Amino acid sequence: GAVVSQHPSRVICKSGTSVKIECRSLDFQATTMFWYRQFPKQSLMLMATSNEGSKATYEQGVEKDKFLINHASLTLSTLTVTSAHPEDSSFYICSARDTDGYSYEQYFGPGTRLTVT
Amino acid sequence: DQQVKQNSPSLSVQEGRISILNCDYTNSMFDYFLWYKKYPAEGPTFLISISSIKDKNEDGRFTVFLNKSAKHLSLHIVPSQPGDSAVYFCAASLGAQKLVFGQGTRLTINP
Repeated sequence: GAVVSQHPSRVICKSGTSVKIECRSLDFQATTMFWYRQFPKQSLMLMATSNEGSKATYEQGVEKDKFLINHASLTLSTLTVTSAHPEDSSFYICSARDTDGYSYEQYFGPGTRLTVT
Repeated sequence: DQQVKQNSPSLSVQEGRISILNCDYTNSMFDYFLWYKKYPAEGPTFLISISSIKDKNEDGRFTVFLNKSAKHLSLHIVPSQPGDSAVYFCAASLGAQKLVFGQGTRLTINP
């Protein structure tokens, strides 16, 4: 149980275009999902907390107009990188907290490698 | 301000021996700690956790120790196996909100 999927696993886009990444909890409901970013050989940095049916909470320094987050259902959250630039190239990982499970544990998706050319 | 620190970027251990990964934190209000294992180009996988009201939690080959006075926790893996080679992240939670991750330690198990 507790499986989280991400789509796509890898995407290459041109500078100036927008990219949407999906995060789904497959076998549980997730009121809260999280979006992280990881640079090579660095830690996971939380970008935003996504709550179903409400606006996402962004961490300091994360541009909310650039990284649009939508959490329209209990099993799906999306991250859209708008007007992507090469510096947005990174590994994006989502996680989900089981609404009915222990509140501290987060289950992570496999990640999405974004390359902006 | 790095609230969770893993000061060893890498660790090499012989197969069958004990692996000890360390983690320090600065915020005494953290109330829950977790260890995750991560392979390249994959998401982290939950390993083991411990509440701040405990000092030890064991699950098979994995044991986590918490020393609140020293603001230090460690993950012990015994015996170490080649499949344990990965990057290990410790994470801390404050009131079941977001997780704060350390920088990670790359563990290599040598045959």
